[in-house]
Amino acid sequence: GQNIDQPTEMTATEGAIVQINCTYQTSGFNGLFWYQQHAGEAPTFLSYNVLDGLEEKGRFSSFLSRSKGYSYLLLKELQMKDSASYLCAVKFGNQGGKLIFGQGTELSVKP
Amino acid sequence: DVKVTQSSRYLVKRTGEKVFLECVQDMDHENMFWYRQDPGLGLRLIYFSYDVKMKEKGDIPEGYSVSREKKERFSLILESASTNQTSMYLCASKGGPGSNEQFFGPGTRLTVL
Repeated sequence: GQNIDQPTEMTATEGAIVQINCTYQTSGFNGLFWYQQHAGEAPTFLSYNVLDGLEEKGRFSSFLSRSKGYSYLLLKELQMKDSASYLCAVKFGNQGGKLIFGQGTELSVKP
Repeated sequence: DVKVTQSSRYLVKRTGEKVFLECVQDMDHENMFWYRQDPGLGLRLIYFSYDVKMKEKGDIPEGYSVSREKKERFSLILESASTNQTSMYLCASKGGPGSNEQFFGPGTRLTVL
């Protein structure tokens, strides 16, 4: 199988830092994506990692370790509007962009 | 900006009806995808298409078919709707081999009674 595992829900405080983890089976790995999805809306792209290391984009960073089958999304200086579902998705092989999604992590940011 | 549109935001159908969900993208993307999203299960791929008239089964194609007669349009068809097909349906598109990001439409919330 190609299970993608991430926590179901997390809670954090406004202004804090939160790390959302994602693990996957490494066989055939060809890239990892993070998407943000607000309730009732379409997922929107946050980041893409295909090589090991940290990719930083403003308040959001994404890390990848291919040997460990592990990624995390780091959100700094949390804002109330960051309350959303965060989806980890992995591309396996070279199948025209087909992605396997995790179940998503529901993040609640409290004042 | 890339725009992916879906024909309806909300749809209510009866068991046994034939249902068409339409998706249109305006960026000349080769690849288009249909997912369904259910609580606790995440997004699951139903079908995808990498070119006009080409289609490939995703992870859960049973009970669905698709049509891609034109590059910009990808239709999902429920031949005989059943209550277990009540779900949120999301369409996405992606450019050629040099691009990675999938762009999603707003989704169609389908209820089958």
